[in-house]
This record gives sequence, structure tokens and C-alpha cells, in this order.
Amino acid sequence: DAKTTQPNSMESNEEEPVHLPCNHSTISGTDYIHWYRQLPSQGPEYVIHGLTSNVNNRMASLAIAEDRKSSTLILHRATLRDAAVYYCILRDVDNAGNMLTFGGGTRLMVKP
Amino acid sequence: NAGVMQNPRHLVRRRGQEARLRCSPMKGHSHVYWYRQLPEEGLKFMVYLQKENIIDESGMPKERFSAEFPKEGPSILRIQQVVRGDSAAYFCASRGSIYNEQFFGPGTRLTVL
Repeated sequence: DAKTTQPNSMESNEEEPVHLPCNHSTISGTDYIHWYRQLPSQGPEYVIHGLTSNVNNRMASLAIAEDRKSSTLILHRATLRDAAVYYCILRDVDNAGNMLTFGGGTRLMVKP
Repeated sequence: NAGVMQNPRHLVRRRGQEARLRCSPMKGHSHVYWYRQLPEEGLKFMVYLQKENIIDESGMPKERFSAEFPKEGPSILRIQQVVRGDSAAYFCASRGSIYNEQFFGPGTRLTVL
């Protein structure tokens, strides 16, 4: 899986939108962009994934740059329960069944 | 549909003892992954198993660690002669069939005294 770069930490206020960036300048044409998050003392949790088009689900939105070299996970209204480490991971569609390679992720802190 | 289950949730062992960690995947999932998270570090892949087969064990330490996923029953991660450096959270995940997303269990926190 190709490498991703994320800020170590970010802060947000409760009920405000949060934009979590991820750079993946070496992404290949067959790499999907996946996001997982890990709440304190829990296992990681799948959030969302996409290939080229922006994606929305009940948890978040994923905005993908036109050149696919970066993406942004958007939490529309942060809550205290969204405080977690967010991981951006690239997965080759041809190896989608293989392991996840976790980087350092972004630790999101949400202030009341 | 129950999620991925792991037990025990907490395990304390003395140096030299054996640790057995169990993982029951989600119903209908036949692919299991084990990851280890050392204190204040990220998750690292250890091993990927399908029923009765080890598909990829490139992340497993060469000695003392073994894993299995029998035809019946949970997947087992076994650590022999534990040392303090084995203290970590061990997570297993099972793989969905639609988007290949992985569903993680709550983890087993191993403490070696």
C-alpha cells in the first residue's frame, strides 16, 4: 500500500465541522482511499472509502482532489464522541483483501 | 449480527508463561487478521488467516508467536514464553465481502509482569 501523510493532531470545537487532510502524492490508479478511526481503548472502526468521486455516508464525507494526490475527511458536526485517531490508508484494489497498513494518523481532540 | 469478539479482554501473564488470545470473526466471515499495538504506537499487522490456512504471516515475530484459524472455532494467537516487550493490545479483524473493509474486535490487552 502506498504511503500517506497526515498531521499528527488537530483540534476542533464541538458542533463545528472538521476537515482532516491526507496527502498521498504517490497514489496509483488502482488505489482506493480508506479512512478508519480508533476511539480511546477500542479497536479501529471503518469510516468511509472512495476512489475518485466524493463520497458521503452516515458518519462522514470524503472529498477527493481531482488529481487524487490528496483527500479530506469531513465530519460535519464534531461531537465529543468523535475524539479519536483518524487513519488514512491506501488500498490497492488488486490487493484489497490484504492487511491494512496504519501510519501515525491524526489525533482529533474535540473541545466542548 | 454480533461483531468481532475477542477474549479475554485483559490478560496478565508472568514472564515465561504462555498467552492464548481468541478471536471469533463476524458471522459468515472466513478471513481473520491479527494486529498488535504497542503502547503509544500505531497498529502493526501480524498475520492474515483464512479457515485452516495462513495466507500472510510476514508481520509475525519469527519465534514464540503462532496463529491458527481452525475449521471450527475461533482463531487463536499464541505467544509462548512471554517477555515484557510482548505487553501490548492485540486486535483481530475479520473481513467483509462487499468492500473488503475490516471489522475490528475490542482487543485483548496483554500485560506481562
